Amino acid sequence: SQLAEENSWALSVHEGESVTVNCSYKTSITALQWYRQKSGKGPAQLILIRSNEREKRNGRLRATLDTSSQSSSLSITATRCEDTAVYFCATDESGSWQLIFGSGTQLTVMP
Amino acid sequence: EAAVTQSPRNKVAVTGGKVTLSCNQTNNHNNMYWYRQDTGHGLRLIHYSYGAGSTEKGDIPDGYKASRPSQENFSLILELATPSQTSVYFCASGDDWGGAEQYFGPGTRLTVL
Repeated sequence: SQLAEENSWALSVHEGESVTVNCSYKTSITALQWYRQKSGKGPAQLILIRSNEREKRNGRLRATLDTSSQSSSLSITATRCEDTAVYFCATDESGSWQLIFGSGTQLTVMP
Repeated sequence: EAAVTQSPRNKVAVTGGKVTLSCNQTNNHNNMYWYRQDTGHGLRLIHYSYGAGSTEKGDIPDGYKASRPSQENFSLILELATPSQTSVYFCASGDDWGGAEQYFGPGTRLTVL
């Protein structure tokens, strides 16, 4: 079974709106990462949030981590068409170098 | 800037044939990974390596071999390709600490007929 899983298969918003992608995981972790994959490309990391952190920001992106509920969220404000992509959360089992990726959420930003 | 390249980018193979997918990284990372990506399954780990000469089995290693002849190069080998191995394959490199970021290549689309 998946150690990490996004909570939605697909989301769509209009440009300028905000959107949140949620993720739940099943083990104790060193860090949780959010990746974005645009069509035809490999995934690229957006944010890494460590287990002792509660929030991390990167420009229009904000990630939160709640270790008590084993959940994380990625919020994107002022969305743009170029934010259209699949968003994955990925976790490790504490101390492991192996990342476990969720199935991803397809975000579509419409003009 | 971190760079992971893969070759070929597209490959059509016949059932029973041998396929080799190559990956090169200039990040000087010890760890390298091979994943496959299929609709509905996300990224699944096939093999990984801690450094030159080492290969380890991931979650779905059956039907695949791996080779790490140098720090920079990591290959995935399908000795007897089957249609079920039709997929997109990604190589990645990363630092050797728990939860480290992984840097991905552009992927190889493999079709086995």
